[in-house]
Amino acid sequence: KQEVTQIPAALSVPEGENLVLNCSFTDSAIYNLQWFRQDPGKGLTSLLLIQSSQREQTSGRLNASLDKSSGRSTLYIAASQPGDSATYLCAAPNTGNQFYFGTGTSLTVIP
Amino acid sequence: GAVVSQHPSRVICKSGTSVKIECRSLDFQATTMFWYRQFPKQSLMLMATSNEGSKATYEQGVEKDKFLINHASLTLSTLTVTSAHPEDSSFYICSAEHIPDRGFTEAFFGQGTRLTVV
Repeated sequence: KQEVTQIPAALSVPEGENLVLNCSFTDSAIYNLQWFRQDPGKGLTSLLLIQSSQREQTSGRLNASLDKSSGRSTLYIAASQPGDSATYLCAAPNTGNQFYFGTGTSLTVIP
Repeated sequence: GAVVSQHPSRVICKSGTSVKIECRSLDFQATTMFWYRQFPKQSLMLMATSNEGSKATYEQGVEKDKFLINHASLTLSTLTVTSAHPEDSSFYICSAEHIPDRGFTEAFFGQGTRLTVV
């Protein structure tokens, strides 16, 4: 069964810093790799989706990379802002679109 | 992207009663939908896979008689928490699988339902 781990569990940075969130997965037979944002008490906001054949995706200040062979993905956030404070989840669905979520990284950006 | 609507967003019920949560795909048909739950400060865990017109497939450790899933149409799946207890209080979220005519399949998530059993 797929296991997804995220490091660090929590991160606190001053506004303006660039930061990297890490995600690792045990089974490389993933369909794609997605990064989500979850605000307290809220649902999921999809940030980036990387197909298994791709190596990275970019959206604004966010860049996600995927290395299937090593079972790793990273989410890079440039010039962090207080509004980026949230929990970030990575998920590796199988070909049946069953999602296996990571444990999450709780990010706090200090003004 | 495609839209999945989940209702209600919040519900409080008394212990022993049943609660129904709806998951609708608004602009596409979904043969397959999924139900997840998230306990406080934990990640989301897959509970079951719901297939239109057939029985749901439950993950290990999820009681099928307690969490009744009905996927009677291509746009609606329901999760009924029967005889709810305080330990069932959780955040429940659904997703629906979108299979486009071209391109990759993708699952879209509902907004989630916060269930509190008192």
